[in-house]
Amino acid sequence: EIVLTQSPGTLSLSPGERATLSCRASQNVKSDYLAWSQQKPGQAPRLLIYGTSHRATGIPDRFSGSGSETDFTLTISRLEPEDFAVYYCQQYSESPWTFGQGTKVEIE
Amino acid sequence: EVQLVQSGAEVKKPGESLKISCKGSGYTFSTYWIGWVRQMPGKGLEWMGIILPRDSDTRYSPSFQGQISFSVDKSIRTAYLQWSSLRASDSAMYYCARYEQALGTFDYWGQGALVTVSS
Repeated sequence: EIVLTQSPGTLSLSPGERATLSCRASQNVKSDYLAWSQQKPGQAPRLLIYGTSHRATGIPDRFSGSGSETDFTLTISRLEPEDFAVYYCQQYSESPWTFGQGTKVEIE
Repeated sequence: EVQLVQSGAEVKKPGESLKISCKGSGYTFSTYWIGWVRQMPGKGLEWMGIILPRDSDTRYSPSFQGQISFSVDKSIRTAYLQWSSLRASDSAMYYCARYEQALGTFDYWGQGALVTVSS
């Protein structure tokens, strides 16, 4: 099983700042099958990034993804108030599909 | 518009059975895998498995194999997650999600169904 480890666990930032979230895999993940989702309290997850770096429909360009093999990054260039949430990386490269434990981006 | 609409919250006793549903609309239901994801209170997301409505091909996560079962009714565009004997540890939010092969990920999610198992 591919274990995804996200860091940091919590990121305390102010609106307008840049957020950099990390996702490290225990073994290589095919880039086509690494995604990021956002979850707000009481809501279902929402797809942000697929295939490591492709924004899903309707996702603003302040969200970007990068990485390869075992190291992946989600960057939010300038935090908006609505971006404070929990972010999960996921891999669909190998069964069982797995999720990271999440990074909470909170208002400082 | 693609939508996945799940059945409502359930409160059950240990040992009882339960079947929750996920109804798809706005796309060709039979040709997209439907996945199920568990989220225990205050915790992260766990992939339970997937089912292809076209032929009911099913893949279970080893962590959930033998504890749950998936089914579909194509005629009403609905997928199901079922337990034969619930445990308190099954208390969680359960999401269904559509797997889009072209994107290699879940692209649409249901709103979630809260299951509470308590004596």
